[in-house]
Amino acid sequence: DSGVTQTPKHLITATGQRVTLRCSPRSGDLSVYWYQQSLDQGLQFLIQYYNGEERAKGNILERFSAQQFPDLHSELNLSSLELGDSALYFCASSVDLGAGGSSPLHFGNGTRLTVT
Amino acid sequence: GENVEQHPSTLSVQEGDSAVIKCTYSDSASNYFPWYKQELGKGPQLIIDIRSNVGEKKDQRIAVTLNKTAKHFSLHITETQPEDSAVYFCAASRGGSYIPTFGRGTSLIVHP
Repeated sequence: DSGVTQTPKHLITATGQRVTLRCSPRSGDLSVYWYQQSLDQGLQFLIQYYNGEERAKGNILERFSAQQFPDLHSELNLSSLELGDSALYFCASSVDLGAGGSSPLHFGNGTRLTVT
Repeated sequence: GENVEQHPSTLSVQEGDSAVIKCTYSDSASNYFPWYKQELGKGPQLIIDIRSNVGEKKDQRIAVTLNKTAKHFSLHITETQPEDSAVYFCAASRGGSYIPTFGRGTSLIVHP
């Protein structure tokens, strides 16, 4: 168990709708990362927050937004959903601002989003 | 930015054989190289990592080697077991505020 909790596990919704994915990081981790994993695709970095502030942006669509709250949990909001947004969405956390030279990422088990 | 290439995309072995997955990276400033294992229905989990000041690291049946000059690193699994079947991802990072870059993954299938 990585200690990272993601809810819900599964989400089925229709095109045009808006959903919110939730993530609770490991205790003590200040950094939260969001990744998208589509079928047969690798891990696409979306966005990173550190202690409530946005720190890095990847290939995140303008229809998507995220935030990190004072208790360090994070939410990823996906709006105007399209069929192509169907994917696994992972949250990861780490102790430090940058995972590379210090600590690794710890991933949750993801939210599987299906857009019909 | 960093670019990580991972090969092969699929690897099929018999139980008891060894498996090797290779990754190359482009940024000579990268100094941290973790490997993750993703089982079906779960998130990637760290299995081993190596830093640039070390050439090899072992943990039971798993080892990672790093060649900084050639900018490549490899995951070695010996005496493979069916429970080793999963998708394996390599990653490279230069630390600080840089985001790790992941390879595209290798699907390892271990046949009993």
